[in-house]
Amino acid sequence: NAGVMQNPRHLVRRRGQEARLRCSPMKGHSHVYWYRQLPEEGLKFMVYLQKENIIDESGMPKERFSAEFPKEGPSILRIQQVVRGDSAAYFCASSSTGLYGYTFGSGTRLTVV
Amino acid sequence: QKEVEQNSGPLSVPEGAIASLNCTYSDRGSQSFFWYRQYSGKSPELIMSIYSNGDKEDGRFTAQLNKASQYVSLLIRDSQPSDSATYLCAVTSSYGGSQGNLIFGKGTKLSVKP
Repeated sequence: NAGVMQNPRHLVRRRGQEARLRCSPMKGHSHVYWYRQLPEEGLKFMVYLQKENIIDESGMPKERFSAEFPKEGPSILRIQQVVRGDSAAYFCASSSTGLYGYTFGSGTRLTVV
Repeated sequence: QKEVEQNSGPLSVPEGAIASLNCTYSDRGSQSFFWYRQYSGKSPELIMSIYSNGDKEDGRFTAQLNKASQYVSLLIRDSQPSDSATYLCAVTSSYGGSQGNLIFGKGTKLSVKP
């Protein structure tokens, strides 16, 4: 019974490149959330998705960031033209209801050099 | 801006003692409250949830909620060195109808000394 699967675990990108982070929710979970954790900072909400729909993207930076959760396949968080300030741990979480707390994946540690 | 406040610590307690972690929140519309434990370099792990005023106990953990005071706490009895971690308080946001969005505090670092 696999948990929330994120890949890659570590990702190194040069400034200006694109980063793609993947998240497969737990079986039976249709709600996916992305959070970002900067060093020594708390988790910050980015986006909440259900299959083929973005429910709340109020935490997403207005430029360079996008997210999707297609009908088939994992949810993708895409960061275009990465900058050093994008270096952080990106966590995906899923839930069955969206109301009772959720399970986090192991995260993707993005380093921009 | 809705906020969740926690003392950053570190909170240091001897093994076997009670560790008390506190959290205040600003969103009066918050309905659900959670405590996550995060070991260094790892992902957050849900350890307690509480939805109504009062106490909720689960093993060595007790969560306490006072909505009137907008205050949540976590007590860890018989603290063990393996409890050493950062504890994150999280509350649901009532903003914009997105009930799944959690607002996290920055966490309290707990150190349990053998």
